[in-house]
Amino acid sequence: EVQLEESGGGLVQPGRSLRLSCRASGFTFSPYVMSWVRQAAGGGLEWVSFIRSKASGGTTEYAASVKGRFTISRDDSKSTAYLQMNSLKTEDTAMYFCTRGIFRYFENAFDMWGQGTMVTVSS
Amino acid sequence: QSALTQPASVSGSPGQSIIISCTGTSSDIGNNDYVSWYQQHPGNAPKLMIYEVNHRPSGVSDRFSGSKSGNTASLTISGLQADDEGDYFCSSYTRSSTLVFGGGTKLTVL
Repeated sequence: EVQLEESGGGLVQPGRSLRLSCRASGFTFSPYVMSWVRQAAGGGLEWVSFIRSKASGGTTEYAASVKGRFTISRDDSKSTAYLQMNSLKTEDTAMYFCTRGIFRYFENAFDMWGQGTMVTVSS
Repeated sequence: QSALTQPASVSGSPGQSIIISCTGTSSDIGNNDYVSWYQQHPGNAPKLMIYEVNHRPSGVSDRFSGSKSGNTASLTISGLQADDEGDYFCSSYTRSSTLVFGGGTKLTVL
């Protein structure tokens, strides 16, 4: 079965760190752009970051709201993408979804989504 | 990068057609043809309905169609069905190689 499974969410205090993982299965992981999108309770979607394939340089992009605090990475040998979140703020509280580009090397639309992992930043 | 602008809500009766607009700027929607639309039902992950302005992924009904003019994109749903009810989000690639979403539109099928 083709799927994405997030893990690593939880309750964390402001200023602390958390690392999210996204394990892919059922498809060849390496050629795909992987992205994180978050959604606050009752709110809209907010794109967070994406990482291109190694063949495309493995380069990364970030939303302004997380740039300098979050780092996205990937381990193709484990079919897993990561989101390292540092200096967390209360406004980072959200459900974090892992997503995959619709086609190989495609970074503009995402056809596969995990069920999400909840991150709560609170003292 | 500011969020794209969508109406907060739209509604329609079964069988009717509705249009959801998504307004951006010359730095996003007006800069390329990489507009996508997602449908989200409560408690579920979003589902891609349209990519590259007017392309449907495999398995998406042809009742869903997209278009773009200038800095505004639109999603049209024809032959409205009860299961179409939910939240719809547009997104666009930007000049800065990032992505931006709209605030979302709640579709109610009367």
